[in-house]
Amino acid sequence: KAGVTQTPRYLIKTRGQQVTLSCSPISGHRSVSWYQQTPGQGLQFLFEYFSETQRNKGNFPGRFSGRQFSNSRSEMNVSTLELGDSALYLCASSANRGSGTEAFFGQGTRLTVV
Amino acid sequence: ELKVEQNPLFLSMQEGKNYTIYCNYSTTSDRLYWYRQDPGKSLESLFVLLSNGAVKQEGRLMASLDTKARLSTLHITAAVHDLSATYFCAVDLGSGNTGKLIFGQGTTLQVKP
Repeated sequence: KAGVTQTPRYLIKTRGQQVTLSCSPISGHRSVSWYQQTPGQGLQFLFEYFSETQRNKGNFPGRFSGRQFSNSRSEMNVSTLELGDSALYLCASSANRGSGTEAFFGQGTRLTVV
Repeated sequence: ELKVEQNPLFLSMQEGKNYTIYCNYSTTSDRLYWYRQDPGKSLESLFVLLSNGAVKQEGRLMASLDTKARLSTLHITAAVHDLSATYFCAVDLGSGNTGKLIFGQGTTLQVKP
């Protein structure tokens, strides 16, 4: 069974640019969550999608957005990149949106903003 | 605001020794997860604890949950070098906040031969 796939694995962008990251969940999983991991702030929740609807959002500025497609694949977009957006972005998929469901993480996309 | 705190944040230990990582959280929840992360890698799910008193064991690792004390522990028995990694606990707030995990700061474990 294929795991959670994130693309690309690495990205280097310039301040002010925008970036789109992709996440393909485990087959059959309908919930996708996104997290940002930095040395200073640790792992922080960005947002969660289920059946193409955003159900939860973390405390990030509006420059961070996402969407989910009918096949459960999800994308997140960051516009007007800042140096502080450099981080490992992780996506997690779960079988359903119920609490207590195990989440499986992808390998992450490491974004560097220069 | 929910806070999840791990203790210690760094642990250096000799092979063969036992130790416990603590995870305290600040609000009511009976759903707690433990993950392992190797350097430059993603998070690997270790344990899912879904009720007060839950105890799960896998190899040299054992996790438990005390919801009354808002405390989970990850006990390492007879550590081996392969257990060197960063361990995170994460709390699920439950209904209304599904899909959202609040993570602790992580405990970096270094097991020396």
